[in-house]
Amino acid sequence: DAGVTQSPTHLIKTRGQQVTLRCSPKSGHDTVSWYQQALGQGPQFIFQYYEEEERQRGNFPDRFSGHQFPNYSSELNVNALLLGDSALYLCASSLGQTETQYFGPGTRLLVL
Amino acid sequence: SQQGEEDPQALSIQEGENATMNCSYKTSINNLQWYRQNSGRGLVHLILIRSNEREKHSGRLRVTLDTSKKSSSLLITASRAADTASYFCATGHAGNMLTFGGGTRLMVKP
Repeated sequence: DAGVTQSPTHLIKTRGQQVTLRCSPKSGHDTVSWYQQALGQGPQFIFQYYEEEERQRGNFPDRFSGHQFPNYSSELNVNALLLGDSALYLCASSLGQTETQYFGPGTRLLVL
Repeated sequence: SQQGEEDPQALSIQEGENATMNCSYKTSINNLQWYRQNSGRGLVHLILIRSNEREKHSGRLRVTLDTSKKSSSLLITASRAADTASYFCATGHAGNMLTFGGGTRLMVKP
């Protein structure tokens, strides 16, 4: 039974570019949440997807957008990258609104 | 912005000793959860305590929650070198959104 998977593991981009990160939830899970973790800090909630819709959103600008597919996998898109977007991006899945979330290994994004 | 504050920010102990980490938060919560993170990788869920619970145990872990003081503590007993990691508390809110603290970096020396 595969856990949460994310791709790619590492990514280097330059300022102004766009990036797409991907997440496949744990088998049987239908809800995906995305978090940004800057170096030395705790993760910050970006948004959550359920039934292919954005259900909740944290304090992130519109440059951050997402999508959920019918198979429950999800993408996180970031446009017009800034140096400050360099971080570890974590995906977490859960079954509906159950409390425990399972995290993937993350994608480390470096913006130069 | 982060909801919680962990204390201490860093902790270094010898193998076999107990490690205690504290977490304070600001708003009402549905639950409080503790996660472990090794070397900047993914988070591993350790334990969840609901807002109407006061104490919970799981193996060598003991978590307490005081909603009147808006604080929680995580105790790891008989620590091992493999417990070396960063530990985060996260408050659970409506819709299953988690708000994390800044974490405690634990070093267990063999």
